Amino acid sequence: KQEVTQIPAALSVPEGENLVLNCSFTDSAIYNLQWFRQDPGKGLTSLLLIQSSQREQTSGRLNASLDKSSGRSTLYIAASQPGDSATYLCAVRAGSYIPTFGRGTSLIVHP
Amino acid sequence: EAQVTQNPRYLITVTGKKLTVTCSQNMNHEYMSWYRQDPGLGLRQIYYSMNVEVTDKGDVPEGYKVSRKEKRNFPLILESPSPNQTSLYFCASKGLSGANVLTFGAGSRLTVL
Repeated sequence: KQEVTQIPAALSVPEGENLVLNCSFTDSAIYNLQWFRQDPGKGLTSLLLIQSSQREQTSGRLNASLDKSSGRSTLYIAASQPGDSATYLCAVRAGSYIPTFGRGTSLIVHP
Repeated sequence: EAQVTQNPRYLITVTGKKLTVTCSQNMNHEYMSWYRQDPGLGLRQIYYSMNVEVTDKGDVPEGYKVSRKEKRNFPLILESPSPNQTSLYFCASKGLSGANVLTFGAGSRLTVL
C-alpha cells in the first residue's frame, strides 16, 4: 500500500526565505503527483500537477520536482511571503485512480 | 465556473438524526470522492465512485453511505450520526484522464452533539 510522508510537519520562517517542502512515497510506480494548498478551515486548492514522465513543474514562485526512483518530490517556494502561510499537502496517484495524501506541512511565514 | 459544490457548509445536529451532505460537480468528472479531515489524522477517504452506479469503500466507510445515481451528484448520507463523526468533510472530483487535477469542494463542517 502506498504511504506518503511529508517532512517537516510544521515550519515557521521569516518573510523572504526560500523554502523546500518534502514529500516522499513508498511505491515509485506512480502515475502523477499533485501539490495542494489548504488555508485553515478551507478546501484544498491545486497548485501543481506533475506527471510521472515529468521532472518538474513551475507556477510563479512555486517549483515542484519529482524523482520517482528515490520516491521523492519537493515543493520549492521562492521569496516566501506571509500570504504563503497555509498547509501544503501532496497527493500521489499510483496504479488506481485513487490518490494517497500525505498529512501536510503547516507553514507560517512571519513578517 | 468549474467547481465542486457542497451543502451545507456548516451543520450542527444531534446524535441519531439522519442527515445528507450534497456534492455536485459541473465538470463532467467520472471520479468523485468523500474525505474527512481531523486534526492529527490528515485526510481520510470515506467512499469513492469511479462512475454512475459504481461506488467503493475508502479507508473509513463505517457509519456512512453514498449513492451515485447521476454523474454530477455524489451525496454523503449519515443514517444515524454519532459524535465521533464530528469533522470537516470534503468532496472531490476528477476526470479519468491523467492530465486532470483533483478538484475539491469548499468543505462541510459537521458537529454532532
